[in-house]
Amino acid sequence: GAGVSQTPSNKVTEKGKYVELRCDPISGHTALYWYRQSLGQGPEFLIYFQGTGAADDSGLPNDRFFAVRPEGSVSTLKIQRTERGDSAVYLCASSSLAGERNEQFFGPGTRLTVL
Amino acid sequence: QKEVEQNSGPLSVPEGAIASLNCTYSDRGSQSFFWYRQYSGKSPELIMSIYSNGDKEDGRFTAQLNKASQYVSLLIRDSQPSDSATYLCAVGAPGSARQLTFGSGTQLTVLP
Repeated sequence: GAGVSQTPSNKVTEKGKYVELRCDPISGHTALYWYRQSLGQGPEFLIYFQGTGAADDSGLPNDRFFAVRPEGSVSTLKIQRTERGDSAVYLCASSSLAGERNEQFFGPGTRLTVL
Repeated sequence: QKEVEQNSGPLSVPEGAIASLNCTYSDRGSQSFFWYRQYSGKSPELIMSIYSNGDKEDGRFTAQLNKASQYVSLLIRDSQPSDSATYLCAVGAPGSARQLTFGSGTQLTVLP
């Protein structure tokens, strides 16, 4: 019955470092999404998983960003060589893929700060 | 460029009034529409989904969809100070794509 969980809640890193952000979706939800949200903006789509595979990664800004979902549940968003412009709140959402309905439920987010 | 446009506000209404939030979208093939509420420092919370033209009511909330005009709205009746938040309109990509495109949100303040 738990919602989407994300860890860590906050991450401060230095420019050039590597970070991993974790998402645990709602139990039974086969679809998992990553978005990022900058201050004053709506969430921006990054990548969508259906099961273990990335069904749509068109939102990843460049090849420094990569995400995996090896067992079809927990997902990890990986950012290499972080830049100050990567600072944002990274949101994970999940949905049950029931027909045309695509209600996505968000986790609390990870606030990433790149110094 | 698929776009979702919202008035950024801020929108202020007195307690007990009706708050009206509007959203337009550019992709005519879109089939799913959502309203999320986001309190400051928190993540978006789904409050309404609508898929067909017309009105959908849930408690004090009514979502309205007009696909011909590419327009979605959210009405909040009997507004309460606890409704003060940013309201995000989200539009689902058409076809098999699942991503949501969000507007930048409308900040609502309900004055006691």
